Amino acid sequence: DTAVSQTPKYLVTQMGNDKSIKCEQNLGHDTMYWYKQDSKKFLKIMFSYNNKELIINETVPNRFSPKSPDKAHLNLHINSLELGDSAVYFCASSPRGGANVLTFGAGSRLTVL
Amino acid sequence: AQTVTQSQPEMSVQEAETVTLSCTYDTSESNYYLFWYKQPPSRQMILVIRQEAYKQQNATENRFSVNFQKAAKSFSLKISDSQLGDTAMYFCAFSASGTYKYIFGTGTRLKVLA
Repeated sequence: DTAVSQTPKYLVTQMGNDKSIKCEQNLGHDTMYWYKQDSKKFLKIMFSYNNKELIINETVPNRFSPKSPDKAHLNLHINSLELGDSAVYFCASSPRGGANVLTFGAGSRLTVL
Repeated sequence: AQTVTQSQPEMSVQEAETVTLSCTYDTSESNYYLFWYKQPPSRQMILVIRQEAYKQQNATENRFSVNFQKAAKSFSLKISDSQLGDTAMYFCAFSASGTYKYIFGTGTRLKVLA
């Protein structure tokens, strides 16, 4: 049983479209994250939710909107996609922050044409 | 602000040999945690090893060990008896205690040669 699962694994879409990536964890963790990995493999935090409450919101364009319906789910919706949004998006979870190990999903590769 | 620096973009090592990956960080926090994650070609990020800053003893996990030098703010990863399956990107990461922010270095691409 996958601990952190993301869907879809691959997304190819045109500029200007809207798309969503879903993430679910079955580990009972309180905290979930979205990270973006660019073409140079640099990993950057985008958002973090703790028990459905937004606790980290880095300088991400407001075309990106996270939603956490419950503590096991964290979805990412992206409006008006741009070429620069092409990246791998990783969902992760942890029991809490700081000391705890992040458990990552397999990543969702988004390609914007 | 905390930063994590990995100064070796790429490294290679012969199978069965030992390799050390460097990581330095900058922080004014006294309580924090350091991690090494591995990302093989499959893309999945996997924890390799974790170190608590308040522990002087270096963490080890089978063939993987760290050299944690708190005063120098250095956290290197040693891989012994390298195997082909160790070929991956390796990321060093920092997290201050009580925060939810994990800061990653830019990664080191390691290739194990047969």
